[in-house]
Amino acid sequence: SAVISQKPSRDICQRGTSLTIQCQVDSQVTMMFWYRQQPGQSLTLIATANQGSEATYESGFVIDKFPISRPNLTFSTLTVSNMSPEDSSIYLCSVVGRGTEAFFGQGTRLTVV
Amino acid sequence: AQRVTQPEKLLSVFKGAPVELKCNYSYSGSPELFWYVQYSRQRLQLLLRHISRESIKGFTADLNKGETSFHLKKPFAQEEDSAMYYCALGATGRRAPTFGSGTRLQVQP
Repeated sequence: SAVISQKPSRDICQRGTSLTIQCQVDSQVTMMFWYRQQPGQSLTLIATANQGSEATYESGFVIDKFPISRPNLTFSTLTVSNMSPEDSSIYLCSVVGRGTEAFFGQGTRLTVV
Repeated sequence: AQRVTQPEKLLSVFKGAPVELKCNYSYSGSPELFWYVQYSRQRLQLLLRHISRESIKGFTADLNKGETSFHLKKPFAQEEDSAMYYCALGATGRRAPTFGSGTRLQVQP
């Protein structure tokens, strides 16, 4: 299994500013992902965080808006840039271990005002 | 293309009633399927996986390849089962798991 620590757990931000979310895993993992989740709704994959290379973004998400770093196999950051109220959501870090099971951080609840 | 469909957004039952949360998938190959659960104010976590054929908290799910289904069942619902449930295809290669849209289970007293 993998234990994921994600922070901050919540934040309220002014529009036009940026927030960086950190994800720390207690073991080395190859696959790390970032999702967005509206409360009580489905998960939307933002990107795959690749160690040592640029992240792979899903349709509708771009690097300028959601830059991602993955400096090693246990850590990643997601930045939400130039925020607007539409970015208010829960952001989740997830990893896949040796099997195909996914593990999740506790999420970052972002409110943009 | 991989796809997971959960047709019900909300399923409301009374305590003690049977529960079936539906999940259908589209996948070319041998699928690995999972059910995840998210209780209020808790992180998303694994409930069960098809490969282990286990019962967790009274829930079971059987993979039906003919019907491409992986429905989650429990014979007698409890109030503490109220949560959001997601069906998912496991990660493949460098591809992320594929999640369904989720079903909210509401168990009324």
